[in-house]
Amino acid sequence: GIQVEQSPPDLILQEGANSTLRCNFSDSVNNLQWFHQNPWGQLINLFYIPSGTKQNGRLSATTVATERYSLLYISSSQTTDSGVYFCAVDDYKLSFGAGTTVTVRA
Amino acid sequence: EAQVTQNPRYLITVTGKKLTVTCSQNMNHEYMSWYRQDPGLGLRQIYYSMNVEVTDKGDVPEGYKVSRKEKRNFPLILESPSPNQTSLYFCASKGANTEAFFGQGTRLTVV
Repeated sequence: GIQVEQSPPDLILQEGANSTLRCNFSDSVNNLQWFHQNPWGQLINLFYIPSGTKQNGRLSATTVATERYSLLYISSSQTTDSGVYFCAVDDYKLSFGAGTTVTVRA
Repeated sequence: EAQVTQNPRYLITVTGKKLTVTCSQNMNHEYMSWYRQDPGLGLRQIYYSMNVEVTDKGDVPEGYKVSRKEKRNFPLILESPSPNQTSLYFCASKGANTEAFFGQGTRLTVV
């Protein structure tokens, strides 16, 4: 199956800082999604982004399918951004990376 | 509102007592799947279903059963739960070339 690698595994930010999370995948995929798992365990859809760039408020994502990677940008981070960020790629099933744990300190 | 509904949200049970976690989606999605999440191991797929009456094993199917008798429902069955099945479980659904949606999660404890 497709291998999905996320980096960094952990990220500690001061409130207001910007950051970039990376997702690499080993083969061509139909689609890619980013999720945020909040401290209560819920998985929240952030982006559905097979290619190109999308923005939603302080978050944006870029997927370069030909080079098999995607980036998630968090700008002006807030404590509510804390949690685990997962990317998942879709060949015939969803395959998840191990996640990046983000801690935003006030 | 598009949603995936899992029940129950929390469950504590004893070893060997059969249980079912229900999952229902209202988006007419063909694909549904179950995952378990454990600390340090991320999300691992248990079973998936590409359509009604079509199910297949994921990465960690041992100890679980599923059925897909109708498009909207995809229950997860633990015939004889054991403590190593204590975990956080998620159900997901998606259509062809559409984003996946996840249920709220079920925290299962087997004692």
